[in-house]
Amino acid sequence: KAGVTQTPRYLIKTRGQQVTLSCSPISGHRSVSWYQQTPGQGLQFLFEYFSETQRNKGNFPGRFSGRQFSNSRSEMNVSTLELGDSALYLCASSLGAQELYGYTFGSGTRLTVV
Amino acid sequence: AQSVTQLGSHVSVSEGALVLLRCNYSSSVPPYLFWYVQYPNQGLQLLLKYTSAATLVKGINGFEAEFKKSETSFHLTKPSAHMSDAAEYFCAVSDNTNAGKSTFGDGTTLTVKP
Repeated sequence: KAGVTQTPRYLIKTRGQQVTLSCSPISGHRSVSWYQQTPGQGLQFLFEYFSETQRNKGNFPGRFSGRQFSNSRSEMNVSTLELGDSALYLCASSLGAQELYGYTFGSGTRLTVV
Repeated sequence: AQSVTQLGSHVSVSEGALVLLRCNYSSSVPPYLFWYVQYPNQGLQLLLKYTSAATLVKGINGFEAEFKKSETSFHLTKPSAHMSDAAEYFCAVSDNTNAGKSTFGDGTTLTVKP
């Protein structure tokens, strides 16, 4: 079966712009989590959605937002981009409670802000 | 609050030698523990998970880990390293009070010498 699909794979944006990243989870997975990965901070939790509801949120500014659609696909949006937002953004889906099943990760979207 | 400490950001072994990657966790509630592997330019792949059943957990590619509550450890081992094991490895902790979130360690880069 198809894995977690993230689009686009690479993105270059200018400071001040906004960006939308997309994630299609594995069919049947209703939980989608997003992480930011950088060399300095490692993997940082952004937020988690389940059945179109945000159930949890990490310590990121309000410029970072997300949503989930009825088909479980998820998007995250970053407004007013800053240089420090350059990172690999990873989406992960889980069949149910991720603490029991673990995550299946996508390959990520590498965002470069110039 | 949860945290994970991975001892040694870089580990180097010879092909055929024992692999031992160390992980210690801190959690105020019963933890769920995971090891993930990340190859360059890819997302993370679940190697194995501990979810309060057997304390010795076997995963994919010949890896296993043992949960030791008294030592708050969950070290990853493999009896004989293969060149294809060269990658970055992440230990992660979750619990059932934090929906959809895992806390990851900083990662250990494994190098396998021929």
